[in-house]
Formats: sequence, C-alpha cells, structure tokens
Amino acid sequence: AQSVTQLDSQVPVFEEAPVELRCNYSSSVSVYLFWYVQYPNQGLQLLLKYLSGSTLVKGINGFEAEFNKSQTSFHLRKPSVHISDTAEYFCAVSDNSNSGYALNFGKGTSLLVTP
Amino acid sequence: NAGVTQTPKFRILKIGQSMTLQCTQDMNHNYMYWYRQDPGMGLKLIYYSVGAGITDKGEVPNGYNVSRSTTEDFPLRLELAAPSQTSVYFCASSTPGGGAGNIQYFGAGTRLSVL
Repeated sequence: AQSVTQLDSQVPVFEEAPVELRCNYSSSVSVYLFWYVQYPNQGLQLLLKYLSGSTLVKGINGFEAEFNKSQTSFHLRKPSVHISDTAEYFCAVSDNSNSGYALNFGKGTSLLVTP
Repeated sequence: NAGVTQTPKFRILKIGQSMTLQCTQDMNHNYMYWYRQDPGMGLKLIYYSVGAGITDKGEVPNGYNVSRSTTEDFPLRLELAAPSQTSVYFCASSTPGGGAGNIQYFGAGTRLSVL
C-alpha cells in the first residue's frame, strides 16, 4: 500500500505570484499520480495525472506537475496564480495493489490567493 | 452531461436513525466508489464496486453497507447513525475497463450531520 504526504496544509500567496504545492508518496511498485482540485462546496475535479512517459505533465488552468521517481515527489506548480485558484488541492496515488484501483489521497493543501 | 449525481446534498440525522445516500452515474462506468472526507484528513475509501453485483470493503467500512444492482446506481446505507459518521460523502466512478491509471469522476457530495 502507498501513503501520500502533502507537506503544507495551507499556502497563502499573492495574486500573480508563482506557487508550488508539494506532494511526496511512498510505494513499493510503480504508481499512478493525480492532482485533484476542490472548489468550495463542490466535488473533486481532476487537474492532471501522471501515468507514464514524460515526467512533466500539464493540466487544466495552467497547472503543471513534475514526477520525480528518485525523490518520490509529484509537486504541483503554477507560474502565476489567480484569485479563482483559491481552493483545496489533493494529491492522490494509485497502483495495482489498491482495492478496485481506488485512490489514496493526501490530507490536502488549502491554497489561498489574495490581491 | 450529468456525470455523477448524488442526493441529497445535505442531511441532518438523529443518533440511531437510518438513511440511504444515493449515487447514480450516466457514463456506463464499471467501477464506483464511496469516500468520506473529514476536515484535514483527505478522503478515505468506504466501499467500492467493480461492477453490478460485486462490492467490497475499503479502508473505513464499519457502520455502512452498499449494494450494486445496476451499473448506474451505487447507494450507501447508514443503518444506525452515530456522531462519528458526520462527514462529507463523495461518490465517484471511473472510466470503463478500470486499471490503476483510471480517472475517477466525482459527484458534488452529501454533507451529513448526525446529532
């Protein structure tokens, strides 16, 4: 089984500044990695995923993440954030050992963008 | 496109009452999941199903039951509500064929309070 650690519970940032949300995972096998976003009082929406291939993956709304196998990390980045990016962000991992290929989630990082 | 639909959106229960959280999807997905989300804790898997008539326990199944009589519907039953079941419940379904790299689509959630 895997575990997922999101290193920051809250990240405050000013509008138009860059941001990085950190995620580390542990797994003994090959993994699939995801970032989901949850806007207030809504369900989760997929931002991006890493399944295989290029370690730099691009997602929606200008976000990207880089898979680093040696550091077991999958950090999420955006070069310039907007007020509308204020939300909860979840890193998740899955591999072939998961029940029904369910996702194992981190505890979430709350991104707060202010003017 | 409706996607994953959950009802009700909000519910208050008294201790010992029972209720069913409804989940239906119109994407013909084989895999369906129930998660609960507690503040600061991420999402935990309650039950999952890999197809009609097939269900299995996840990480936190105690106090819950599920059934899957059709591909579309995956209701979650609380038999004797307890304050520890106060949470936000999310239903999800995944792309046909499953696999660890499958993308899960989430409903908007049901906010449940047990008083």
